[in-house]
Amino acid sequence: QVQLVQSGAEVKKPGASVKLLCKTSGYTFSNYYIHWVRQAPGRGLEWMGMINPGGSNSAYGQNFQGRVTMTRDTSTSTVYMELRSLRSDDTAVYYCARLRGLRLRDRYFDHWGQGTLVSVSS
Amino acid sequence: SYELTQPSSVSVSPGQTASITCYGENLGDKYAFWYQQKPGQSPVLVLYQDSKRPSGIPERFSGSHSGNTATLTISGTQTMDEADYFCQAWDSVTAGVFGAGTKVTVL
Repeated sequence: QVQLVQSGAEVKKPGASVKLLCKTSGYTFSNYYIHWVRQAPGRGLEWMGMINPGGSNSAYGQNFQGRVTMTRDTSTSTVYMELRSLRSDDTAVYYCARLRGLRLRDRYFDHWGQGTLVSVSS
Repeated sequence: SYELTQPSSVSVSPGQTASITCYGENLGDKYAFWYQQKPGQSPVLVLYQDSKRPSGIPERFSGSHSGNTATLTISGTQTMDEADYFCQAWDSVTAGVFGAGTKVTVL
C-alpha cells in the first residue's frame, strides 16, 4: 500500500535551517509528484511547493521562494524539503503529499504523510 | 495572489444537511477539490473534480460547482463528520491554493 512516512519533530532557533524527509513506498516513486503543505497551529493549509521525483524539477510558492529547496533521492524513494532562515512564524506541521496526476482533473493529493512538527523558538 | 474564500464555521444538527461554499475569482475555469481534516490528523480527500468521491468516502458527501463558487454538501450529517474542511484549487499548474477552512460543528 502507498505510504508516505515523514521524519520526526524538530526544534530550531530563529535563523537556522531545517531539512525534513518524506520516505515513500508502495508505488513507483518517479511516477508521482510530491508536494509540501504546511499548517501553522490553529491555522489553515498552506501550499509550499512541489518536486518531480522523476526529473528533479521543482516549483515553489511565492511565500517561500529563495528560502526553500526540495530534492529527492531515487535510491531510497525519499523526498527532502529544506527551509532556511527560519522565523517564529514558520512554526507549523509540515506535510508531504502525493499528487494523483498531472491532468487538471487529477491534480489532487491522494496520500499524505503523517506530518512533522517544526517549532522555531529562541 | 489567488484566494479561495470559505465561511469560517458551519453548524448543523445531526441528520441535517451542511453546505460549505468556496468562492474564487475564475474558479469556474478550474476544478475544486475538498479535504477533510480531523484534529491531530492529516487531511483526507473527500471530493475531487468538483463532485467525485474517492473510494471509501460516504455517499452523503457531494459537491457542485456553479460559476465561481464550489459547494461541498454533507447530507444526513453524522457526528463523525465534525471536522475542518478545506477547498483547494490551482492558480496555475505550479501554484496550489487552499481556502482558509471551514469548521463543521455537529450540535
